[in-house]
Amino acid sequence: QKEVEQNSGPLSVPEGAIASLNCTYSDRVSQSFFWYRQYSGKSPELIMSIYSNGDKEDGRFTAQLNKASQYVSLLIRDSQPSDSATYLCAVNPGGGYNKLIFGAGTRLAVHP
Amino acid sequence: SAVISQKPSRDICQRGTSLTIQCQVDSQVTMMFWYRQQPGQSLTLIATANQGSEATYESGFVIDKFPISRPNLTFSTLTVSNMSPEDSSIYLCSVAVLDRADGYTFGSGTRLTVV
Repeated sequence: QKEVEQNSGPLSVPEGAIASLNCTYSDRVSQSFFWYRQYSGKSPELIMSIYSNGDKEDGRFTAQLNKASQYVSLLIRDSQPSDSATYLCAVNPGGGYNKLIFGAGTRLAVHP
Repeated sequence: SAVISQKPSRDICQRGTSLTIQCQVDSQVTMMFWYRQQPGQSLTLIATANQGSEATYESGFVIDKFPISRPNLTFSTLTVSNMSPEDSSIYLCSVAVLDRADGYTFGSGTRLTVV
């Protein structure tokens, strides 16, 4: 069974620090990877996608992918209280699949 | 990215009744999906809505309980049938435009409470 694993948290970081969120996946042929942010009572919002090994930066966010180790991570620099949310890792298993498989999500709390 | 209109945004329904949720997209999309998010949980895929053919259901979900229609490339409906309190959840429509980095987006969701 294809799985996506995340630490449920909560991950608590002080304002201005770097928050590091991790995700592992079981299907080695997975092709594309996504990070979503979900505020309480809201629908998920796509913040990063990554397809190739290495780092991808967008503003304060950096996604890192290591297909050999089957993990993907999200770094949030200069964390702000407004970053407090649940972060969902999602994987497109590939092999002709188009659906996304979601992890359980990591709750991030940024305290002033 | 595609703009999705999902309605109703919330509803309170009596057990044994059915509710149809609509998902309208402002552009033609390749794939449409229906997810469920139970309180405090992550997203679980119910089915992939296929244009012009029967939906593809995930394990644990059946057509009699969750009939889905997709008459064209911009519209889909999900019906939650013969509801019980266990169906209380948020239901989310998602669309994907393949080969686009911002391809997978979600509607605002339908918060369903069954009493």
